[in-house]
Amino acid sequence: SQQGEEDPQALSIQEGENATMNCSYKTSINNLQWYRQNSGRGLVHLILIRSNEREKHSGRLRVTLDTSKKSSSLLITASRAADTASYFCATDALEKGNTPLVFGKGTRLSVIA
Amino acid sequence: GAGVSQSPRYKVAKRGQDVALRCDPISGHVSLFWYQQALGQGPEFLTYFQNEAQLDKSGLPSDRFFAERPEGSVSTLKIQRTQQEDSAVYLCASSPLRTEKLFFGSGTQLSVL
Repeated sequence: SQQGEEDPQALSIQEGENATMNCSYKTSINNLQWYRQNSGRGLVHLILIRSNEREKHSGRLRVTLDTSKKSSSLLITASRAADTASYFCATDALEKGNTPLVFGKGTRLSVIA
Repeated sequence: GAGVSQSPRYKVAKRGQDVALRCDPISGHVSLFWYQQALGQGPEFLTYFQNEAQLDKSGLPSDRFFAERPEGSVSTLKIQRTQQEDSAVYLCASSPLRTEKLFFGSGTQLSVL
């Protein structure tokens, strides 16, 4: 499967610091999305960025997209203990027909109070 | 309704037993997806419905896996003759449109002993 790859696999920071996670993917896309998953729960949509957009903001979240490098980054500013979770990127491939949303393996973020 | 509802929340099955997992999507959502998530991994696509039509089942790992959505609302994922490697969290997600953000349920954690 054309899974994206998040980097790093795990990240541990102090409360108040910024957290940056990266995602690389393999094929051309329609859009890229970021999701968050708390332990033992379902995924929650955070932000969607389309292939013709380069940057998007939502509250303390900032997402960038570089289609020439097939990569995206998620920045969480002024992190809080409640931001502790796994974060996944997901891509919708630009192909003929219906293609499923494909998820990466995730970055596990720990924010220490 | 509220969100995507999945039942049961936990399921323990003996190897060889058949199981049925239920998903109640958000009312009016046309698209419904099933994903399988192994421990420490990202969700892996299983199958996709648009209304009652199963448009993509390329992710189903074997013919022991079967999904249906007969009236275009509730969906059931059935696994026959369960094996230990089927142990995972099964996530259901719905969306008003295929390529937009997905709304996930909390998942069913299946343990095959």
